[in-house]
Amino acid sequence: QQQVKQSPQSLIVQKGGISIINCAYENTAFDYFPWYQQFPGKGPALLIAIRPDVSEKKEGRFTISFNKSAKQFSLHIMDSQPGDSATYFCAATVTNDYKLSFGAGTTVTVRA
Amino acid sequence: GAVVSQHPSRVICKSGTSVKIECRSLDFQATTMFWYRQFPKQSLMLMATSNEGSKATYEQGVEKDKFLINHASLTLSTLTVTSAHPEDSSFYICSARAPRYPPLHFGNGTRLTVT
Repeated sequence: QQQVKQSPQSLIVQKGGISIINCAYENTAFDYFPWYQQFPGKGPALLIAIRPDVSEKKEGRFTISFNKSAKQFSLHIMDSQPGDSATYFCAATVTNDYKLSFGAGTTVTVRA
Repeated sequence: GAVVSQHPSRVICKSGTSVKIECRSLDFQATTMFWYRQFPKQSLMLMATSNEGSKATYEQGVEKDKFLINHASLTLSTLTVTSAHPEDSSFYICSARAPRYPPLHFGNGTRLTVT
């Protein structure tokens, strides 16, 4: 069973708009939550990551919001650009375990 | 830093043959590497965990005799798909754990097509 639930499956946003992807988890032992970006035919690349002692982390146009009590976290892509069109995966892991549990993925399409 | 190289990027083989995929950590030593399989428009599915110098640990449902994993050095892990069949066609991706972990670093994947 999938330990990390991700939604939506896909979304379309206009250039300059905000893309929001949500993830939820059940395992309270998870202590590291990365987001990966994957282009067709390529491996996933780390975009941004957060630990549960922080409620928000921002890197450029990408922001993770983290709600520990609700066991939810989300990725916000501000000022979305056509080059952001890709599939985004949230993930979670217990640091000492090393194994990543991936969400199902969200395909983002940014229309010019 | 922390570059993971995967080779080949694409391979086509005939049914019944075996194919080997290499995963190298280029600028760090990776004591642990992971192999994933990804079907079109789906998430990554962990197949096995590879530790240098020891036998790989396979996830439930993954045939260890079909997917042979060797992690003979701190910079190289290989996945051999033995007696490949069309249903083994997929995108295979490796990742490696660098000394400064997290995160995990991923290779660019290998598209395997079995005809």
